[in-house]
Amino acid sequence: GENVEQHPSTLSVQEGDSAVIKCTYSDSASNYFPWYKQELGKRPQLIIDIRSNVGEKKDQRIAVTLNKTAKHFSLHITETQPEDSAVYFCAASPNNNNDMRFGAGTRLTVKP
Amino acid sequence: EAGVTQSPTHLIKTRGQQATLRCSPISGHTSVYWYQQALGLGLQFLLWYDEGEERNRGNFPPRFSGRQFPNYSSELNVNALELEDSALYLCASTTGTLKGGRLASEQFFGPGTRLTVL
Repeated sequence: GENVEQHPSTLSVQEGDSAVIKCTYSDSASNYFPWYKQELGKRPQLIIDIRSNVGEKKDQRIAVTLNKTAKHFSLHITETQPEDSAVYFCAASPNNNNDMRFGAGTRLTVKP
Repeated sequence: EAGVTQSPTHLIKTRGQQATLRCSPISGHTSVYWYQQALGLGLQFLLWYDEGEERNRGNFPPRFSGRQFPNYSSELNVNALELEDSALYLCASTTGTLKGGRLASEQFFGPGTRLTVL
């Protein structure tokens, strides 16, 4: 089955700096890669996702890149703000089903 | 449109007891997933149900079980509770992907049930 590894486990940045979180996956059949944000005491919510037919996707200050050959994908947050502080999870699943596996999470702290 | 709902919000049990947690998916969703989230840790996959059948289960002992009802709601049962079962149990739903070539898609999470085992 799929195994997703996520690094780093914790990340602290100054407001305005960029943050990068990296994930690797093991199953070459995985074609769908979502990222979730979980604020303290709240449920995880999707912030961006990417499918294997594209290498990069952007949504305002958030971008995700995918390297299928190397089996890794990354989340990039630019111009970080204190409200970006949360735990971020990457995930991977095949396109033909929704058997999704999550990374262990990254606790991002943005210092004002 | 109502989101994923879970009940109860909090559940306190003692060692050896049984716990039952419930989840109602978003209307039209046929897949339900259960995850265990221990304090400060990641989302550990427990069970996946789709169209009433168990499709996959994570690396948990058999005392973790569940089912999905004809209306696609789901129940997670934990027997012979142990202290380390204390965690937030999250349910998520999505459109089923086993029929007709649908693509994998976003999972929508419920608010969770906080289980405390004393």
